[in-house]
Amino acid sequence: RKEVEQDPGPFNVPEGATVAFNCTYSNSASQSFFWYRQDCRKEPKLLMSVYSSGNEDGRFTAQLNRASQYISLLIRDSKLSDSATYLCVVTENYGGSQGNLIFGKGTKLSVKP
Amino acid sequence: NAGVTQTPKFRVLKTGQSMTLLCAQDMNHEYMYWYRQDPGMGLRLIHYSVGEGTTAKGEVPDGYNVSRLKKQNFLLGLESAAPSQTSVYFCASRDRPGEQYFGPGTRLTVT
Repeated sequence: RKEVEQDPGPFNVPEGATVAFNCTYSNSASQSFFWYRQDCRKEPKLLMSVYSSGNEDGRFTAQLNRASQYISLLIRDSKLSDSATYLCVVTENYGGSQGNLIFGKGTKLSVKP
Repeated sequence: NAGVTQTPKFRVLKTGQSMTLLCAQDMNHEYMYWYRQDPGMGLRLIHYSVGEGTTAKGEVPDGYNVSRLKKQNFLLGLESAAPSQTSVYFCASRDRPGEQYFGPGTRLTVT
């Protein structure tokens, strides 16, 4: 089975802190990479795509290193509302399953006042 | 625009009973998916469909069957429920690669 590995946490940080999550994936043929966010007892939702050149969306920055098969997510100026589980996700890229997603088990973030 | 909906939200079954979970999407997406999520295991793909009338096995298909008779609906069936099928079930759909839209989930307990 193709794997996506994440530190499960939990990461407990104060408001305003900067926190970084890392993820590694085993399938070198994966073409697309994402971070999803899942709130407690809710469904996952797409947070952002991850591109080789790196990309930023407000306080969130995602990076991809294809050579090392490594993905990261940086959250600056953490808010209470950032408390959630962050899922690292890559696509399968073989045969009929192209485009299917492989999910990491998630990293739990808790932002405290 | 409701997105992806799932019915029911909660269910308790006895071992050996059967049930069907219904997923409906109103976004005209071709691709639909059924996942299960267990503590410490993450999301695992059960079955998926790349269009009306098609289905395919995912990572953990045993004990489940699916049907996609209409583009907007994807049904997941448990013919003889087992305690190992206690889980949270999520349905999802997509058009372009990557961005899957998830339903709110069905919490199933098999006793």
